[in-house]
Amino acid sequence: AQRVTQPEKLLSVFKGAPVELKCNYSYSGSPELFWYVQYSRQRLQLLLRHISRESIKGFTADLNKGETSFHLKKPFAQEEDSAMYYCALFMGRRALTFGSGTRLQVQP
Amino acid sequence: NAGVTQTPKFQVLKTGQSMTLQCAQDMNHEYMSWYRQDPGMGLRLIHYSVGAGITDQGEVPNGYNVSRSTTEDFPLRLLSAAPSQTSVYFCASTWTGHGGEKLFFGSGTQLSVL
Repeated sequence: AQRVTQPEKLLSVFKGAPVELKCNYSYSGSPELFWYVQYSRQRLQLLLRHISRESIKGFTADLNKGETSFHLKKPFAQEEDSAMYYCALFMGRRALTFGSGTRLQVQP
Repeated sequence: NAGVTQTPKFQVLKTGQSMTLQCAQDMNHEYMSWYRQDPGMGLRLIHYSVGAGITDQGEVPNGYNVSRSTTEDFPLRLLSAAPSQTSVYFCASTWTGHGGEKLFFGSGTQLSVL
């Protein structure tokens, strides 16, 4: 069965510190993984997807098939990065399986 | 360009009442889905649809019905609301194209069942 695990419910860092939000997955096929972000009182929006190998707002994420991980990283956190972050796995052309989410709190 | 529109934004129901959460998209996407968001549990898939006339169950379908008579609309029905259905509900539609897929989410419906 497909499963996405985000072990941390809350991650609190100071501004300028590095950030790593953990995501592990289990999937029998070739995974397609995403990070979604939800800022306070806003709708969920796509942050990045592994297939694009992109960097958005300074965030990057590398798919590690050996460790079945897709951790989200940023070298220097900003206060505006405070939000809820969800790792998600695409179940074919249907819908997403989401992790339980990690709240990132960046303190000044 | 409206994208994905959900109504209402807020709703309070009494146990046993019925209601329909509306979802419409104007992007001509074939795939649409409904999720509920609960603290500590993230988003869980309720139902999804791969096209007009085709729907299927997700992780937590009990207590919810859906239909997809048109490409644009994907309403979610609660036939007899229960307090366990207090949650924030998100509708999404999926863009498919070169380079993969991308979900567009509505702004959510906050539902309280007393």
